[in-house]
Amino acid sequence: NAGVTQTPKFQVLKTGQSMTLQCAQDMNHNSMYWYRQDPGMGLRLIYYSASEGTTDKGEVPNGYNVSRLNKREFSLRLESAAPSQTSVYFCASRLGGAGANVLTFGAGSRLTVL
Amino acid sequence: ELKVEQNPLFLSMQEGKNYTIYCNYSTTSDRLYWYRQDPGKSLESLFVLLSNGAVKQEGRLMASLDTKARLSTLHITAAVHDLSATYFCAVDILNRDDKIIFGKGTRLHILP
Repeated sequence: NAGVTQTPKFQVLKTGQSMTLQCAQDMNHNSMYWYRQDPGMGLRLIYYSASEGTTDKGEVPNGYNVSRLNKREFSLRLESAAPSQTSVYFCASRLGGAGANVLTFGAGSRLTVL
Repeated sequence: ELKVEQNPLFLSMQEGKNYTIYCNYSTTSDRLYWYRQDPGKSLESLFVLLSNGAVKQEGRLMASLDTKARLSTLHITAAVHDLSATYFCAVDILNRDDKIIFGKGTRLHILP
């Protein structure tokens, strides 16, 4: 029961470097999400994808890009990392559509930008 | 734009006491979720509330939803140390592109 798998778990970058956070789910979920968590700010939605082939901006999309590679995978890219992007990033997925379905979260990826 | 507000953001309480966490949201919503996060861990689902007047209970936690007031509450009865965690409410809107917005969380610290 892998659920939602995120890689890497930890990453240190220098300002201006780029990197991609990977996320994969094995639950045949339609919807996938990227959140960032900062102290005192809760979880803020960066981007989400309601189905394969679609992506939409969330609350804080600036400085990020996403790709819904297929139904299983949803990646988050930082093209030019900034210290303000130091955070814990969570990927989540759910079945989506009508009916209540809860999010399943990955373990998180802790990113530090120096 | 959907906004979700929780209060208090931090709560320190003694074991055995009762308390309530509040979650307000800004637009009509069909679904309200509560999640728990332990320090350094990911989030786990606690409750899903779907209709006005809905009440769900699990052990010492009880959640309720008032859609007319756009308010959900998470009530803790006779708190125990194991309930120390951060609790988040989240809201989405049926048929509105599947976006889910979280509150800032309530960090609950229960003193033994």
